[in-house]
Amino acid sequence: KQEVTQIPAALSVPEGENLVLNCSFTDSAIYNLQWFRQDPGKGLTSLLLIQSSQREQTSGRLNASLDKSSGRSTLYIAASQPGDSATYLCAVTYRGGSEKLVFGKGTKLTVNP
Amino acid sequence: EAQVTQNPRYLITVTGKKLTVTCSQNMNHEYMSWYRQDPGLGLRQIYYSMNVEVTDKGDVPEGYKVSRKEKRNFPLILESPSPNQTSLYFCASTPKRGRDNEQFFGPGTRLTVL
Repeated sequence: KQEVTQIPAALSVPEGENLVLNCSFTDSAIYNLQWFRQDPGKGLTSLLLIQSSQREQTSGRLNASLDKSSGRSTLYIAASQPGDSATYLCAVTYRGGSEKLVFGKGTKLTVNP
Repeated sequence: EAQVTQNPRYLITVTGKKLTVTCSQNMNHEYMSWYRQDPGLGLRQIYYSMNVEVTDKGDVPEGYKVSRKEKRNFPLILESPSPNQTSLYFCASTPKRGRDNEQFFGPGTRLTVL
């Protein structure tokens, strides 16, 4: 079964800390992996897209890596800020079938001032 | 501005009263889909469409219908809503199926069925 798992489910850190969010997926036959941010009750903001041929992508303080062979991705957030507090979702587009996005259940991040 | 729009953003209705949630994208995308998001269950795909007049079921299609008469629009229809369809709904689009393309999401529609 094609699944995406995110650990931990929740994370609380002090402002300024560097942190890593983890995502694992069950099948290496993917088109891409996307990281999203979701604020409470709000929509999804796409943060980074890593295509299957890529190893990492960077945007500002965010860096996402992809290791297809191990079925893992990490989202690194440098110098965290209270405004980074949100739920971070990892989603994979698996090859074949409907090629839908399969989402993890997210990591709820709280950055304390 | 390139975007996916949904209407309404919030809706409270009663059991059995037919409703339609509209979705429109202005990016000429071929592939569109609907997801619902529920606490503890995450986001799950309801229906998807690979192009005009081509639609298929996702993981949780029961109680929903869709149509794709035009490339830009992909409405979600609840013929007889029930309380278990209370959820946060998202429409998404991407340029082509089977490519390394980013998916773009609408702002969401929060539906409450009493």
